[in-house]
Amino acid sequence: GENVEQHPSTLSVQEGDSAVIKCTYSDSASNYFPWYKQELGKRPQLIIDIRSNVGEKKDQRIAVTLNKTAKHFSLHITETQPEDSAVYFCAASRMGNQFYFGTGTSLTVIP
Amino acid sequence: GAVVSQHPSWVICKSGTSVKIECRSLDFQATTMFWYRQFPKQSLMLMATSNEGSKATYEQGVEKDKFLINHASLTLSTLTVTSAHPEDSSFYICSARLAETYNEQFFGPGTRLTVL
Repeated sequence: GENVEQHPSTLSVQEGDSAVIKCTYSDSASNYFPWYKQELGKRPQLIIDIRSNVGEKKDQRIAVTLNKTAKHFSLHITETQPEDSAVYFCAASRMGNQFYFGTGTSLTVIP
Repeated sequence: GAVVSQHPSWVICKSGTSVKIECRSLDFQATTMFWYRQFPKQSLMLMATSNEGSKATYEQGVEKDKFLINHASLTLSTLTVTSAHPEDSSFYICSARLAETYNEQFFGPGTRLTVL
């Protein structure tokens, strides 16, 4: 099955700085890679996703890059704000199939 | 749109009892729902894929006789934790997918299970 690794497990940045979270996956057939933000005790919320036919996708301050050859993808958050503080999970899946999540990154944005 | 609800939001039970958790898609029909378990400060671990009208597909290491899943309609899947023990205490989250060809999954708010 799929194995998704995520780094770092914790990340602290100053407000306004950028944050980068990286994930690797093992199944070369995986072709859909969503990123979720989860606040304590709440449900995960999709913040951005990318398909394998695209190398990069951006939505305002959030961007995701994908390197299919190396089997890794990254989340980039620019101009971080305190409300960005949360746990972020990457996931990998074959289109339409189940998600396999990374281990999560606890992001703290220091005002 | 695409709202998923879970009931109950939290439950406390005695060891040895069974607990049923419901997952509903409120404004869409979901042929496939997924059940996850999340321990404190850990990731979401997929337990099983629930398909309407057929048997659930369990992930390796998940006991199908202990975690009974029923997906009897296009808007409801249930997870029953049978003979619960303290080590089953966790946050259980379901998700639903809009259609077979649709990737995004919409998550329920989760159910906090505490087994005494």
